[in-house]
Amino acid sequence: EIVLTQSPATLSLSPGEGATLSCRASHSVSKYLAWYQQKPDQAPRLLIYDASKRATGIPARFSGSGSGTDFTLTISSLEPEDFAVYYCQQRSNWPLTFGGGTKVEIK
Amino acid sequence: QVELVESGGGLVKPGGSLRLSCAASGFTFSDYYMSWIRQAPGKGLEWISYISNSGSSEMYTDSVEGRFTVSRDNAKNSLYLQMNTLRAEDTAVYYCVRAVGYGPGAHFDYWGQGTLVTVSS
Repeated sequence: EIVLTQSPATLSLSPGEGATLSCRASHSVSKYLAWYQQKPDQAPRLLIYDASKRATGIPARFSGSGSGTDFTLTISSLEPEDFAVYYCQQRSNWPLTFGGGTKVEIK
Repeated sequence: QVELVESGGGLVKPGGSLRLSCAASGFTFSDYYMSWIRQAPGKGLEWISYISNSGSSEMYTDSVEGRFTVSRDNAKNSLYLQMNTLRAEDTAVYYCVRAVGYGPGAHFDYWGQGTLVTVSS
C-alpha cells in the first residue's frame, strides 16, 4: 500500500497570504495524484488531478505540482472560503489511498 | 447537473447488516466507474470499493473484502453497498463518488452528501 504523508498537519495563515501544502508518497505514483478540499460538514471537492490539472470550476489561485514522490498544492492568495482541510490521493496503485490531511486555519 | 444522493445509513448492532443506496442523476451513469469512500468521525478519507461501469469488475480495500459487496443497476441509475458483519470500526460517513481517470485507478470528481453508518450495541 502506498502511504501518503501530508505536511504540515496545520497551517495557520491570514487571508491574502500564500499557502504551500506538501504530500509525500512512500513509493512513486508518477503523476497520478489528486488534491481535494473539505469544509466542515461538507463532502470533499476535487481541486487538482494528475498532479497539476485544475478540475472544472476551480479558481486559478489553486495550483499543483510535482511528480514521483513529492507533490505540492499552492494557494497563491488565500480567500476566506479557502480555510478548510486538504487531502491528497493517489491513483497509481491499489488500494487507492489518501493522505491524512492538512488543515488550513485562520491565524 | 451531476447529483449523487445516498440513503440507507443508520444505527446497526455489531455483526449486523446494512445496505446503502446511491441515486445518480445528471450524467450517463452507465458510462462511469463508481466508488464508495468513507470517513470515520473526525478522521480522514478511506477508499473502500470500486465498480466498473458495466458492473463486471469490483475492487475492495482489505478491511472490507469479504464483508462488503458493491453493485449497481444501470437501468435505475443506482449504486449499492451491501455491508455485512459490521464492526464498530465501520462507523463512518459513507460517500458515493463518481470515479474518473484513464490508466491506473481513479480520482473522484463528484461526491454525494454522505450517509452516516453507526455500528454500536
